[in-house]
Amino acid sequence: GENVEQHPSTLSVQEGDSAVIKCTYSDSASNYFPWYKQELGKRPQLIIDIRSNVGEKKDQRIAVTLNKTAKHFSLHITETQPEDSAVYFCAAMMSGGSNYKLTFGKGTLLTVNP
Amino acid sequence: DADVTQTPRNRITKTGKRIMLECSQTKGHDRMYWYRQDPGLGLRLIYYSFDVKDINKGEISDGYSVSRQAQAKFSLSLESAIPNQTALYFCATSEDTNTGELFFGEGSRLTVL
Repeated sequence: GENVEQHPSTLSVQEGDSAVIKCTYSDSASNYFPWYKQELGKRPQLIIDIRSNVGEKKDQRIAVTLNKTAKHFSLHITETQPEDSAVYFCAAMMSGGSNYKLTFGKGTLLTVNP
Repeated sequence: DADVTQTPRNRITKTGKRIMLECSQTKGHDRMYWYRQDPGLGLRLIYYSFDVKDINKGEISDGYSVSRQAQAKFSLSLESAIPNQTALYFCATSEDTNTGELFFGEGSRLTVL
């Protein structure tokens, strides 16, 4: 089955700096890669996703890049703000087929220091 | 606003007790899921259901069962709770596509003593 490795497990940055979280996946058939953000005591929420037919996607201060050859994808947050502090989860799945197989990474705790 | 609601939000129980966590949604989604969250282990899928007559095991279904009572309701049961089932449990829904966004409930924190 799919295995998703996420690094680092914790990340601390100064406000205004950039943050990068990296994930690798094992199944070359995976073609959908979402990122979820979970603030302390809250539910996870989708912040951005990317499909394997594109290499990069941006939404304001966040971007995701995908390298299918190397089987890794990354979340980039620029000009970090204290409200970016949260746990971030990457995930991977193969969107075709009859079985649902969205596999999450173990999460990265991002702390943005004012 | 359409939402996903879980009850109870917090529960403390003893080893061997039967526990049911309930989930209801007003999003009109056919697909519903139960996930378990443990510190440092991410989100792991327990069971999922694509419609009322469809139940599927996830990666960690042992010790759990589910019931899809209606399109809007999906409950998770622990027949005989054990301490390593202490965790935060999330119900989620999505539209009818494998790449649909997951909409999570607020979570149910279960402690098994």
